[in-house]
Amino acid sequence: AQSVTQLDSQVPVFEEAPVELRCNYSSSVSVYLFWYVQYPNQGLQLLLKYLSGSTLVESINGFEAEFNKSQTSFHLRKPSVHISDTAEYFCAVAPNTGNQFYFGTGTSLTVIP
Amino acid sequence: DGGITQSPKYLFRKEGQNVTLSCEQNLNHDAMYWYRQDPGQGLRLIYYSQIVNDFQKGDIAEGYSVSREKKESFPLTVTSAQKNPTAFYLCASRDSGARGTQYFGPGTRLLVL
Repeated sequence: AQSVTQLDSQVPVFEEAPVELRCNYSSSVSVYLFWYVQYPNQGLQLLLKYLSGSTLVESINGFEAEFNKSQTSFHLRKPSVHISDTAEYFCAVAPNTGNQFYFGTGTSLTVIP
Repeated sequence: DGGITQSPKYLFRKEGQNVTLSCEQNLNHDAMYWYRQDPGQGLRLIYYSQIVNDFQKGDIAEGYSVSREKKESFPLTVTSAQKNPTAFYLCASRDSGARGTQYFGPGTRLLVL
């Protein structure tokens, strides 16, 4: 069975400060890892993903996440946040077999001017 | 433009009424999904379909039904048996293969009158 835990339901941070959104997972098989972002009343948009290779993956808007197999984590970081980063962020895992995704409960990031 | 469309954006249901939410994709994806999103609970899987004319129940299928007669379309019916249907409903499709990414539609918000 798979499960995803996002440890912080809400994260307030000042503009231009760094931020880390935490994600831990549990799985009996190898998984692929994803971060999605959701703006109010919209669908989820893919932010970045880890499938294989380098454990550090980056998005085009400055976010990065590092896959840590020993700690079963995939934390999302950004060195300097902007007001426009205010949104809900979801971590997801997909087993390397089958078609299902498993989502965390989300972290609401609020950037304070 | 390739993508996933959901309609309507807002839907109102009267007591005892069945309503159908539309989901269409032109990404040529085999797998499609329906999720329900409630505040603070993340995404919960209602139904998914890996191929035309085949679908499986997710974690909260009771009170919902689906069909998959065409590859592009995966409508969700919220029946009168679903006693608490007020939620944000998200449709998704996925690249073929276990490494595939899920892509989401813009969502439909269902409200009960």
